[in-house]
Amino acid sequence: DVKVTQSSRYLVKRTGEKVFLECVQDMDHENMFWYRQDPGLGLRLIYFSYDVKMKEKGDIPEGYSVSREKKERFSLILESASTNQTSMYLCASSLLMGTQYFGPGTRLLVL
Amino acid sequence: KNEVEQSPQNLTAQEGEFITINCSYSVGISALHWLQQHPGGGIVSLFMLSSGKKKHGRLIATINIQEKHSSLHITASHPRDSAVYICAALDWGSGGGADGLTFGKGTHLIIQP
Repeated sequence: DVKVTQSSRYLVKRTGEKVFLECVQDMDHENMFWYRQDPGLGLRLIYFSYDVKMKEKGDIPEGYSVSREKKERFSLILESASTNQTSMYLCASSLLMGTQYFGPGTRLLVL
Repeated sequence: KNEVEQSPQNLTAQEGEFITINCSYSVGISALHWLQQHPGGGIVSLFMLSSGKKKHGRLIATINIQEKHSSLHITASHPRDSAVYICAALDWGSGGGADGLTFGKGTHLIIQP
């Protein structure tokens, strides 16, 4: 079974802090994704990576950056957290453009 | 970019009822993905299909490529089916990049005992 893990289930940070969200998958998938999910807006893609050190912007990349130094690990970075980044963050991975497997999510609260 | 619409947005039904959730998209796709999200956040992949019909237990997914429409059906619904159901359109022809992936906003299903 594919396993996608995220570093934290819940995080509380202050405005202006740098925040790291980490995602690890154990199935050697090429693709990894970071989404945020907000009520009424559904899942929105922040960034997508299709290989080590390769990334593409999704629909809402502003205020975020990503890092993929190893195939199994994809990090989402909030350089300076703001209150409008309070959200549920979900990581996923897939083999090429196959089925996506999601992590359990990180609920981030920025105060 | 594809536009994906789901209906209904919210659905409350009684246990045992037959449930249909619809997903339509604006641009031809390579495959459609149905996902289930239970309260608490975890998302599980239900189906990925590019034609016809797939069945898993009480869940059935169909897709009509010509009409750009897919449906997810739940037979003999049960309170444990209560969740948000999300469809996602995948277009591999877009180069496999982020533009090729579009999510619907989800259907919030509640099954009452």
